[in-house]
Amino acid sequence: GDSVTQMEGPVTLSEEAFLTINCTYTATGYPSLFWYVQYPGEGLQLLLKATKADDKGSNKGFEATYRKETTSFHLEKGSVQVSDSAVYFCARANTDKLIFGTGTRLQVFP
Amino acid sequence: GAGVSQSPSNKVTEKGKDVELRCDPISGHTALYWYRQSLGQGLEFLIYFQGNSAPDKSGLPSDRFSAERTGGSVSTLTIQRTQQEDSAVYLCASSPGQGRTGNQPQHFGDGTRLSIL
Repeated sequence: GDSVTQMEGPVTLSEEAFLTINCTYTATGYPSLFWYVQYPGEGLQLLLKATKADDKGSNKGFEATYRKETTSFHLEKGSVQVSDSAVYFCARANTDKLIFGTGTRLQVFP
Repeated sequence: GAGVSQSPSNKVTEKGKDVELRCDPISGHTALYWYRQSLGQGLEFLIYFQGNSAPDKSGLPSDRFSAERTGGSVSTLTIQRTQQEDSAVYLCASSPGQGRTGNQPQHFGDGTRLSIL
């Protein structure tokens, strides 16, 4: 069935380090892809999205490019901050609902 | 506020009891979703409501789980005869509902943390 696979965490980085969180998906067709973020003590919120192949979603310095040839949507940020510490969820659309990955915890230390 | 509101924020109950969880979506959003987030797991889809259409119940894990949406707005998720494995955070989300809702960002509430003793 349709699924989303994320790299396991936690990912531990020093401030200003480069971040990559891998996400791959199984697909029939070209579903919309999303990254959601859950900051400590808060609900999930949309970080960025891409709706078609080669689209790049970006927000708050984070980017992810929809790669249909590798069925991937890796999340990247050039220089992380302590305030980026959170759990990040990759998701793909499946007709009228979302299928989420298991989440990747990011911990950024000063 | 104008976001998705869930209540209670925390619920502790004994095994075998019934529980009701409430979700108040963003005003005007026709699509409403329930998810479950268990420790160490991702978000598991439970049920989806869209307008007046029959709900998609394909994610409900057993017949102890049911949900209603009254008047196209507030939704209640009911778990009967709770078991310890039901312990999780139950999240509600809504989206505007025009077009293919799977392509639309979903707006999440803060969730209800359910603990079954």
